[in-house]
Amino acid sequence: GAVVSQHPSRVICKSGTSVKIECRSLDFQATTMFWYRQFPKQSLMLMATSNEGSKATYEQGVEKDKFLINHASLTLSTLTVTSAHPEDSSFYICSARRLADNEQFFGPGTRLTVL
Amino acid sequence: QKEVEQNSGPLSVPEGAIASLNCTYSDRGSQSFFWYRQYSGKSPELIMSIYSNGDKEDGRFTAQLNKASQYVSLLIRDSQPSDSATYLCAVAPAGGTSYGKLTFGQGTILTVHP
Repeated sequence: GAVVSQHPSRVICKSGTSVKIECRSLDFQATTMFWYRQFPKQSLMLMATSNEGSKATYEQGVEKDKFLINHASLTLSTLTVTSAHPEDSSFYICSARRLADNEQFFGPGTRLTVL
Repeated sequence: QKEVEQNSGPLSVPEGAIASLNCTYSDRGSQSFFWYRQYSGKSPELIMSIYSNGDKEDGRFTAQLNKASQYVSLLIRDSQPSDSATYLCAVAPAGGTSYGKLTFGQGTILTVHP
């Protein structure tokens, strides 16, 4: 149990395009999902908290107009990187919080490369 | 500023030995503590969670929590080469607006050599 999927696993795009990343909890409901970014040899940095049916809460320094988050159902959250630039190239990882015990389970991650 | 500190390593132990990973945190309001394992290029995988003082054992893994000292550790017994990875300590507060938000340490790189 506690499986979280992410799609796509890898994406390469041109500068200026938008990229949508999906995060799904497959066998449990997640009222809260989190989006992280991890640069090489660094730890995970929380970008935003996504709550089902409400607006996402962004961490300080994260541009909400650039990183659009939608949490339309109890099992799906999406992150859209708008007008991506090379500095947005990173490993984006979502996690879903299981309501019963507050444990978080991570998706496999999406490696974004912006040319 | 809330912080989670780990001994960055790298930590190298021989196969079969005990690996000891340590973590301290600054927010006394923290209530949930987690250890994740992350292989290179992969996302973190939950190994252990611990919520109350003392030890919690799961197979070869033992997590230890001391809230008074704001210290949490992970022991890996009978270390195997497949345990070689980066181990992340994560801490979550009790509630409020930060409920469920994890703060990660910088990770400890563990290498288990045959």
